[in-house]
Amino acid sequence: DSGVTQTPKHLITATGQRVTLRCSPRSGDLSVYWYQQSLDQGLQFLIQYYNGEERAKGNILERFSAQQFPDLHSELNLSSLELGDSALYFCASSVAGGQTGEQYFGPGTRLTVT
Amino acid sequence: GIQVEQSPPDLILQEGANSTLRCNFSDSVNNLQWFHQNPWGQLINLFYIPSGTKQNGRLSATTVATERYSLLYISSSQTTDSGVYFCAVREYGNKLVFGAGTILRVKS
Repeated sequence: DSGVTQTPKHLITATGQRVTLRCSPRSGDLSVYWYQQSLDQGLQFLIQYYNGEERAKGNILERFSAQQFPDLHSELNLSSLELGDSALYFCASSVAGGQTGEQYFGPGTRLTVT
Repeated sequence: GIQVEQSPPDLILQEGANSTLRCNFSDSVNNLQWFHQNPWGQLINLFYIPSGTKQNGRLSATTVATERYSLLYISSSQTTDSGVYFCAVREYGNKLVFGAGTILRVKS
C-alpha cells in the first residue's frame, strides 16, 4: 500500500458526461500528480499541483481540469467525455515539488466511456 | 523532450530463471524509478535509483547515469513477478516520463 488513495476504483459513464476523480496524497506529501494510462499512448503525465498551486502541465486536454484543496487532496474533472478518454487514471504524490524525490502512485481509477 | 526506451518489450521465463531488463534514456536525469504493474493494474514502486546500485530481496537495480542507462535484475523468478515493468525518469518540470514497459510472463 503506497498510502495514496483514489476513488472511485471503477467508473462507467456515457459520452458527453462529466466525472470527477478524487485523490488523497500520502500523509506529509505536498505534491500531487495526475497521469493517464491508455493502450495507445502509454503512461502520460497530465498535471501537477504543489501545495494548492498548479506547478506543471503536460498533455492535458482543455476538457480536463484539476485542483488541489487546502487539505491537499486533489480532484481531476473530465467533461464532455469521449470514447477515447477511456483509460486508467493514476494519482501520485511526493514530498516536494522539485526534480528529486520519489513519486508514489495510487491504485488508479479505471474509466470506461460507452 | 527526453526519450525512454525499454528492452526487451516481452519476456517469457520459466520459474526460477534470472532476467535483466534494460532502460535507456536520451538525456541526463537526476531521478529514475522502476515500477511493477501487476495484473490488477496497480503500479508498485520497486526502486528509486538516480545512480548506483540497490538491492531488495530477489530484485536489484543499477543506474549508470553518465552512460544513460539503468538495469533491473530479477533473480529466481516467481509467477507473482509477472506483469509489466516500467522505467520512468524525471524531466524538467517535475513530470515522470515513462518507457513503454517490458511485459514479463513467468511460467510455472
